[in-house]
Amino acid sequence: NAGVTQTPKFRVLKTGQSMTLLCAQDMNHEYMYWYRQDPGMGLRLIHYSVGEGTTAKGEVPDGYNVSRLKKQNFLLGLESAAPSQTSVYFCASSTDRVPYFGPGTRLTVT
Amino acid sequence: GENVEQHPSTLSVQEGDSAVIKCTYSDSASNYFPWYKQELGKRPQLIIDIRSNVGEKKDQRIAVTLNKTAKHFSLHITETQPEDSAVYFCAASPSLTSGTYKYIFGTGTRLKVLA
Repeated sequence: NAGVTQTPKFRVLKTGQSMTLLCAQDMNHEYMYWYRQDPGMGLRLIHYSVGEGTTAKGEVPDGYNVSRLKKQNFLLGLESAAPSQTSVYFCASSTDRVPYFGPGTRLTVT
Repeated sequence: GENVEQHPSTLSVQEGDSAVIKCTYSDSASNYFPWYKQELGKRPQLIIDIRSNVGEKKDQRIAVTLNKTAKHFSLHITETQPEDSAVYFCAASPSLTSGTYKYIFGTGTRLKVLA
């Protein structure tokens, strides 16, 4: 079991560029989440999904889009990156309770 | 919306002393409270959790207490060791009846154990 994996691990973008972060889990979890982590602000929920084909907004959804076409994958898209989106992004998945986190993606927008 | 406040933001203790981190939540329907430990450059990892029908839970040197009336819960680490140095996050899960498992995290506590 690989658990929760994220691709890529690091990325540098210029303002206005777009990119997609991929999260994959092999634990057959129904629920998947995208968080961003900034210094002093903890983990803030961007979007989440309660099952294949479903998505919902979290605390800070603006500037991001997500898709859950397959149960095991949860994609996070940035259509037009901004410096304020510089952060570490964590994906997580869960069954009934405990979210398991992926290793994170460090994104820098210049 | 739901909110979780966590204090203190930083905490330094001498090796062997105890450390206490406190969290307060706003949604009275929250019923599950996990704690995560995050070492530098690593992912958050669950260390202990508590459900709303339990007042205290212990696992070796760590324990969590919950006061539902006051809507706060705490992490206690006894006999601290240098390897306990990390950032600790509390979280609260809103009601099951909402049909979702949306976790709201506190802002984290950076614990430093001084040798």
